[in-house]
Amino acid sequence: QVQLVQSGAEVKKPGASVKVSCKASGYTFTSYAMHWVRQAPGQRLEWMGWINSGDGSTKYSQKFQGRVIITRDTSANTAYMELSSLTSEDTAVYYCATGSGRSCAYWGQGTLVTVSS
Amino acid sequence: EIVLTQSPATLSLSPGERATLSCRASQSVSSYLAWYQQKPGQAPRLLIYDASNRATGIPARFSGSGSGTDFTLTISSLEPEDFAVYYCQQRSNGGTFGQGTKLEIK
Repeated sequence: QVQLVQSGAEVKKPGASVKVSCKASGYTFTSYAMHWVRQAPGQRLEWMGWINSGDGSTKYSQKFQGRVIITRDTSANTAYMELSSLTSEDTAVYYCATGSGRSCAYWGQGTLVTVSS
Repeated sequence: EIVLTQSPATLSLSPGERATLSCRASQSVSSYLAWYQQKPGQAPRLLIYDASNRATGIPARFSGSGSGTDFTLTISSLEPEDFAVYYCQQRSNGGTFGQGTKLEIK
């Protein structure tokens, strides 16, 4: 069965960067795009961007353009999301998600990133 | 970017009642719209994809309709486990989410 396992919780200082990983199993990694979505405490889901796991092309939300980089390592079946210039407003749970077509049937467990001085 | 507006923000109903949730896009998204259910402390769960197709394992009481800019999620007869927050997401250009509708027990 499809599984997405994310890296553990992080605590970062303002101005720092964070890199979250998402290891996929149970399907051909290069067949599905990988999305990154975040959710601040008590807030809505926020789409950050996605990567074509096959050719590595990416598309980012305008809100995060220039501050987020999504990459993948096909040899490790793992996708990564790096967010830079962190502020307290980046405190959130970050999810990776994937699936066939244009929706996300499979989600990681989420990674809590806390930004605090 | 495409903006999705969900209504109502909160819907108070009783088990057994019918729920109708709306999602409106700022421009056409064709049929590239999905609905998700989220419960506290959990990742979202895909309910409907491509506007009207139920995802694997989703009960038949959930149905989706619409195309272009106006979409509806209907739950025909509410079960206790259906009370949660529901989000729509467009995948026509990027992947923006609506702000969510909280379905609460009346």
